[in-house]
Amino acid sequence: DAGVIQSPRHEVTEMGQEVTLRCKPISGHDYLFWYRQTMMRGLELLIYFNNNVPIDDSGMPEDRFSAKMPNASFSTLKIQPSEPRDSAVYFCASSQQGNYGYTFGSGTRLTVV
Amino acid sequence: QQQVKQSPQSLIVQKGGISIINCAYENTAFDYFPWYQQFPGKGPALLIAIRPDVSEKKEGRFTISFNKSAKQFSLHIMDSQPGDSATYFCAARINQAGTALIFGKGTTLSVSS
Repeated sequence: DAGVIQSPRHEVTEMGQEVTLRCKPISGHDYLFWYRQTMMRGLELLIYFNNNVPIDDSGMPEDRFSAKMPNASFSTLKIQPSEPRDSAVYFCASSQQGNYGYTFGSGTRLTVV
Repeated sequence: QQQVKQSPQSLIVQKGGISIINCAYENTAFDYFPWYQQFPGKGPALLIAIRPDVSEKKEGRFTISFNKSAKQFSLHIMDSQPGDSATYFCAARINQAGTALIFGKGTTLSVSS
C-alpha cells in the first residue's frame, strides 16, 4: 500500500488566491482527518470524516476553509481566499474503525505571501 | 478539558542517555494514549500506545509510563541515539466511537553524539 497520499507537497500562493489541497486515504480506511501544524499551535484538528460524511468541523478556522470527501478515496481542503496566517503544514490522516492508529500523509507545506 | 499538555517543548540528550517527555490531561473519558514520532519533512508516525488499564508498556527502547490517578503519562527513550532526534507528540482519545485524537504541542528531541 502506498500509504496516505497528499498533493501538492509544497504550495506557494499569493494572498487572496484559492488553494486546494488533496488527499487520498489508505484503501479500506473509513476515517479521514485533516490537521494543521504550526510551531505555535502544534497539530490542530480541522475536520474529520467517517464514511465520507463530515463528523466534526469545529476546528475549521473560519468560513474561508471548506473540506469535501466526494468518495472513499479522495478528499479536498480548500482555502478561499487565502491569507498569510494560513501558512502551515497541512496533514491528512486516515484510520480504520476499531483501529485507533492513524496513518499520516507527508503533508502539504503551504506558504501564502 | 480537551487539552493534552506536553512538556518540555525541547530536549537535548547525550547519546546513550534517557529521554523523558511528559504529558498531562484532565478529561477522565480519555481511554487511549498514543505517542507519535515525526521526522523533518514527514508526517507523524505511531510509535507506541497505551490504554489506562495498564501502568507501563515497553517496546524496545521505548516505554510509556501511565499514572491514572495523576492523569499523567510519559515517554521514556532508553539508550537514546542520534537517530531518535525527532519531534514527539503525545495524544489522547475519548472513549467514544467517532472521536478524533487530540495532540499535545510536541517535543523536539535532539540527541547529541
